[in-house]
Amino acid sequence: GAVVSQHPSRVICKSGTSVKIECRSLDFQATTMFWYRQFPKKSLMLMATSNEGSKATYEQGVEKDKFLINHASLTLSTLTVTSAHPEDSSFYICSARVLGQGKGADTQYFGPGTRLTVL
Amino acid sequence: GDSVTQMEGPVTLSEEAFLTINCTYTATGYPSLFWYVQYPGEGLQLLLKATKADDKGSNKGFEATYRKETTSFHLEKGSVQVSDSAVYFCALSGQAGTALIFGKGTTLSVSS
Repeated sequence: GAVVSQHPSRVICKSGTSVKIECRSLDFQATTMFWYRQFPKKSLMLMATSNEGSKATYEQGVEKDKFLINHASLTLSTLTVTSAHPEDSSFYICSARVLGQGKGADTQYFGPGTRLTVL
Repeated sequence: GDSVTQMEGPVTLSEEAFLTINCTYTATGYPSLFWYVQYPGEGLQLLLKATKADDKGSNKGFEATYRKETTSFHLEKGSVQVSDSAVYFCALSGQAGTALIFGKGTTLSVSS
């Protein structure tokens, strides 16, 4: 099946520093990747849609200068949390959509998530 | 806009009990419907999906049928196990390639 990896799985950083989270589709190509944020006991909140080779589309209320997204290739998207603050502490999850048609298309596969703690 | 409403938990069951988690949706057009499961400390895993009306998705003993007339996609399992304890999310995809819209999640706790 389609596998999406995220790295790191956990990260602790100090306030004011930047943290980069990688999302990779391991065995398929993904023209579109999505970044979600999940608060404790809450559903997933879509942050942005990342398209390979173009600028990400951010949801309303998400600061694009704070959450930098780069989709460098068909298998890699990165989310950089810049000048992190304690309120940025959360569980960040990416997903990738299977490219093309067929049974797997229009299905999103999720990474295992990254737990960010900002001290 | 499109939305998903699912029953709020927690749902607490004994092993081998029957499970139903209700999910209804609002969408224009013909969305694809999904159930995802999230085990403690992990990301989301696709449990099952259905892409058109009357389709039944099934996996690991779980089933859900896409009912257009009632705009529902209820999740069922005939006999739950302790290992099924997790958070279950109902979701829809309004258009191919767009982000999923999630329900708030239902926590299931199964005791032996």
